[in-house]
Amino acid sequence: GDSVTQMEGPVTLSEEACLTINCTYTATGYPSLFWYVQYPGEGLQLLLKATKADDKGSNKGFEATYRKETTSFHLEKGSVQVSDSAVYFCALSSPSYYGNNRLAFGKGNQVVVIP
Amino acid sequence: DTEVTQTPKHLVMGMTNKKSLKCEQHMGHRAMYWYKQKAKKPPELMFVYSYEKLSINESVPSRFSPECPNSSLLNLHLHALQPEDSALYLCASSQDSGRLGSYEQYFGPGTRLTVT
Repeated sequence: GDSVTQMEGPVTLSEEACLTINCTYTATGYPSLFWYVQYPGEGLQLLLKATKADDKGSNKGFEATYRKETTSFHLEKGSVQVSDSAVYFCALSSPSYYGNNRLAFGKGNQVVVIP
Repeated sequence: DTEVTQTPKHLVMGMTNKKSLKCEQHMGHRAMYWYKQKAKKPPELMFVYSYEKLSINESVPSRFSPECPNSSLLNLHLHALQPEDSALYLCASSQDSGRLGSYEQYFGPGTRLTVT
């Protein structure tokens, strides 16, 4: 079945540092890929998405490129702020004949940005 | 507008109580979802409604009973819960159920449930 793997462990970095969170996936079809962000005490917010190979999703200074050859969708931001502290989930969804739009999530990465 | 609303925000209930969680979206989405999320974990899918019909039940215990009164509303009825059911319950919606493509899901803020 479809699955998503995120790098292990929390990420702690200083304000204005560069952020990269790795995400790789396994899927039998042609999935769409997503990054969701969850701030403390809140639900998940869609951060960005890409629906086909070589698409680049971007939002709020974050970017991720759908790489079919490496089955990856790494999240990057050039200069983080304290307000970017949150948990980040990589996810994918594949079309289904039966119409069951399941999201497969990675385990998530806690990002802590220190002033 | 990509808003999904959920009420209540917090709920504390005893093991013998009956309560309901409510979810609403006005985006014209035809698929709605319930998830359970434990601390520091990704959301776990519980139920999917597609065009107001239950299409997925992920072997959820019968003490959780979903209901979709119309295309904008989704309820989760709770009865005789256990302390291990304490979690954040998230509702989500998407444009369609996935037959024609993969659609992003929009999440509500969640209901923080504590079972005592």
